[in-house]
Amino acid sequence: DVKVTQSSRYLVKRTGEKVFLECVQDMDHENMFWYRQDPGLGLRLIYFSYDVKMKEKGDIPEGYSVSREKKERFSLILESASTNQTSMYLCASSMTGRNGYTFGSGTRLTVV
Amino acid sequence: GENVEQHPSTLSVQEGDSAVIKCTYSDSASNYFPWYKQELGKGPQLIIDIRSNVGEKKDQRIAVTLNKTAKHFSLHITETQPEDSAVYFCAALINDMRFGAGTRLTVKP
Repeated sequence: DVKVTQSSRYLVKRTGEKVFLECVQDMDHENMFWYRQDPGLGLRLIYFSYDVKMKEKGDIPEGYSVSREKKERFSLILESASTNQTSMYLCASSMTGRNGYTFGSGTRLTVV
Repeated sequence: GENVEQHPSTLSVQEGDSAVIKCTYSDSASNYFPWYKQELGKGPQLIIDIRSNVGEKKDQRIAVTLNKTAKHFSLHITETQPEDSAVYFCAALINDMRFGAGTRLTVKP
């Protein structure tokens, strides 16, 4: 069964901390994405990557960065966590740009 | 960029009834329209999709219709069951996927 695995289901971090959210896929997909999900706002794209070492900003990149050193791993970094970054974070991957995404189970991050 | 609107935001039906969720998109170049189901505590899962060269697609109790002229597409669930209760997202794809805000469907036994 193909999978996108997010390393943590729940995280609680303090304001100002540097936070790493990890995502690994085992499907040899080229494309990987990070979304945040908030009630009433749906899924908003933070960053995406179409290849190793490549990254592109999505709609809401401010306060975030990403790293893709290997094809299967895409990390989201909160440089200095703030309370408005409390959210559900979803990682996804796809084979090409013309197919549906496979999502991970999400990481619910609370910043206190 | 592409904008996807989804209605209703909440929908409650009786078990056995049908449920319809509607989405509109803004960019006529969008060519792929998936639907996702998200159960509590899980990530969204693809349940059905349709490409722009097809008007309707069916998979057992779920179907999707696409009207390219009007730029809207709909999800139809027939003979609803309590396990259909979830949040449903529509999406439209040009260069990247744009999601609707979601519909919380509740099926009452």
